[in-house]
Amino acid sequence: QSVLTQPPSVSGAPGQRVTISCTGSSSNIGAGYDVHWYQQLPGTAPKLLIFDNSNRPSGVPDRFSGSKSGTSASLAITGLQAEDEADYYCQSYVRSLSTSNVVFGGGTKLTVL
Amino acid sequence: QVQLQESGPGLVKPSETLSLTCTVSGGSVSSGSYYWSWIRQPPGKGLEYIGYIFYTGSANYNPSLKSRLTISIDTSKNQFSLKMNSVSAADTALYYCARHTKSGHFDHWGQGNLVTVSS
Repeated sequence: QSVLTQPPSVSGAPGQRVTISCTGSSSNIGAGYDVHWYQQLPGTAPKLLIFDNSNRPSGVPDRFSGSKSGTSASLAITGLQAEDEADYYCQSYVRSLSTSNVVFGGGTKLTVL
Repeated sequence: QVQLQESGPGLVKPSETLSLTCTVSGGSVSSGSYYWSWIRQPPGKGLEYIGYIFYTGSANYNPSLKSRLTISIDTSKNQFSLKMNSVSAADTALYYCARHTKSGHFDHWGQGNLVTVSS
């Protein structure tokens, strides 16, 4: 059971828009920690997709966007393409005692119909 | 461009110690701007944070794994390493090393090293 909750799967047709949610709590996202998103294509290492809630690294298409509100965050993908079929993970931090620790969401499998 | 490469045995016996090394090229582990991390992914499952180390040797560990972990750094070789003792089948996973920014995200990843725990 992950601290950050993501839907196990989402799907959409080419050209459509899909969103992936990442739901946390007051001890992680709601505590003010930033949310980051990763794309993992089949058989490859995760790749940074969105950092600091809504920023795209160089080379990531603007079809990908992120947002954060309260205790949750979302990744939106517009103009869906077959190459977007992958697993997507959100990541943040959880406060514990005198430190904070990295936490990941359980991952969401995106299927392009 | 920073590149990370994991190396180590692909098979470890139960109760023994898993040891992996990450070699960094195109950047320095002595940079005070980054942490150096380990993350794992059991087959068919999600990502689990293991821990990170700073060039000073200061480390942070996942509380659920902390009692079995040691992460170290060798700035002369531009490498950092992971040791996990008393492994079991539950530790079978693809182990990734990654560069961890002070903003909190992982911006560069190795390709992963599959470690199977089996007798």
